[in-house]
Amino acid sequence: DARVTQTPRHKVTEMGQEVTMRCQPILGHNTVFWYRQTMMQGLELLAYFRNRAPLDDSGMPKDRFSAEMPDATLATLKIQPSEPRDSAVYFCASGLEPGVPQHFGDGTRLSIL
Amino acid sequence: QQQVKQSPQSLIVQKGGISIINCAYENTAFDYFPWYQQFPGKGPALLIAIRPDVSEKKEGRFTISFNKSAKQFSLHIMDSQPGDSATYFCAASYSSNTGKLIFGQGTTLQVKP
Repeated sequence: DARVTQTPRHKVTEMGQEVTMRCQPILGHNTVFWYRQTMMQGLELLAYFRNRAPLDDSGMPKDRFSAEMPDATLATLKIQPSEPRDSAVYFCASGLEPGVPQHFGDGTRLSIL
Repeated sequence: QQQVKQSPQSLIVQKGGISIINCAYENTAFDYFPWYQQFPGKGPALLIAIRPDVSEKKEGRFTISFNKSAKQFSLHIMDSQPGDSATYFCAASYSSNTGKLIFGQGTTLQVKP
């Protein structure tokens, strides 16, 4: 079964530190999404890539967050500097085209102390 | 207009009973309505999805009912089982846009043995 792989699964770090989360989309998928899940806000879209090009990052705080796809097998989400309010579960999802079901990874649980 | 409102927030059903979760939307441009199932520590997994050209879709014990005029759709789980205990999210997107999914707030379902 093809899966979206996210690393690390858990991350605890202190405020101000840089955090990098990685995602390996399903081979052949050309769309990659980053979501954040919190109890208060639910599931929110942070960024969206199609064919490695960023199409929508309107949900992302631009001053501290950045998302990239260095190649078709790797997507990264960076937070610098991190803040306690960034504590959440971050999910990566991949798919074949807009409107087609997105397949989610199991997330990175991030705690900023 | 971008919101998807989901109810109830939590639901307790006896084994063998029917679980019903409802969602409502405002944006008539939405043309894809998936339901996701999420277990603790896991990412959301696509359960079933519908497009507005049909009023009902059934896959095993799971059925989506869609009412275009009322802008509402619902998930019915027949013969609910303890293994169905999870959080369920409805979502909506318009494929002519970025494929961005707008999620409901989620419903925690507990099926009692």
